[in-house]
Amino acid sequence: EVQLVESGGGLVQPGGSLRLSCAASGFTFRSYWMTWVRQAPGKGLEWVANINQDGSEKYYEDSVKGRFTISRDNAKNSLYLQLNSLRAEDTAVYSCARDGYYCSDTSCYFDYWGQGTLVTVSS
Amino acid sequence: DIQMTQSPSTLSASVGDRVTITCRASQSISSWLAWYQQKPGKGPKLLIYKASGLESGVPSRFSGSGSGTEFTLTISSLQPDDFATYHCQQYKSYSRTFGQGTKLEIK
Repeated sequence: EVQLVESGGGLVQPGGSLRLSCAASGFTFRSYWMTWVRQAPGKGLEWVANINQDGSEKYYEDSVKGRFTISRDNAKNSLYLQLNSLRAEDTAVYSCARDGYYCSDTSCYFDYWGQGTLVTVSS
Repeated sequence: DIQMTQSPSTLSASVGDRVTITCRASQSISSWLAWYQQKPGKGPKLLIYKASGLESGVPSRFSGSGSGTEFTLTISSLQPDDFATYHCQQYKSYSRTFGQGTKLEIK
């Protein structure tokens, strides 16, 4: 059974940092693109960043470029998101997701998601 | 970015009803569209990929259609477990974007 379990969320002051983790199990983690998606309270889903199988390609949503860093450790079956220079508007539930199979040339849907971890940015 | 607009935002229906949710893209996305179901406190569950492909294990009462800029998700006969929020997502562009969600409520 595919499982994705996020951790590392919490309350942080504006300008602060957090590192989110996503532990993957039930599939060959090193074979898949992985993605972080967030959902602010009362808002829709928003793609944040994604990473290819060996970590050599990374893409970011414009508002997080230069502040967030996605990475992975295939030996540990884990995905990470380093969040720096946090702003109030970064408050959201952050979920990791696995890219699906029938993708377009440039992008993909998600066939499995975790439950998410809440990040609250507030003084 | 490609903007995705779902309608309605909220839908009230009864068990056994046939319901349709619409998703419109701001430009053509061919058939690169997915639909998800999300329940409170849970991550989204994939229902449909490539506009009309039914994900394995998803009941056949769920179906998707459309191409270009207009898409629909149809539930042929609502079951109690179907009351949830539904999201569409385009994956034509690398900056994949979602609709704002449709909350399906019990009438």
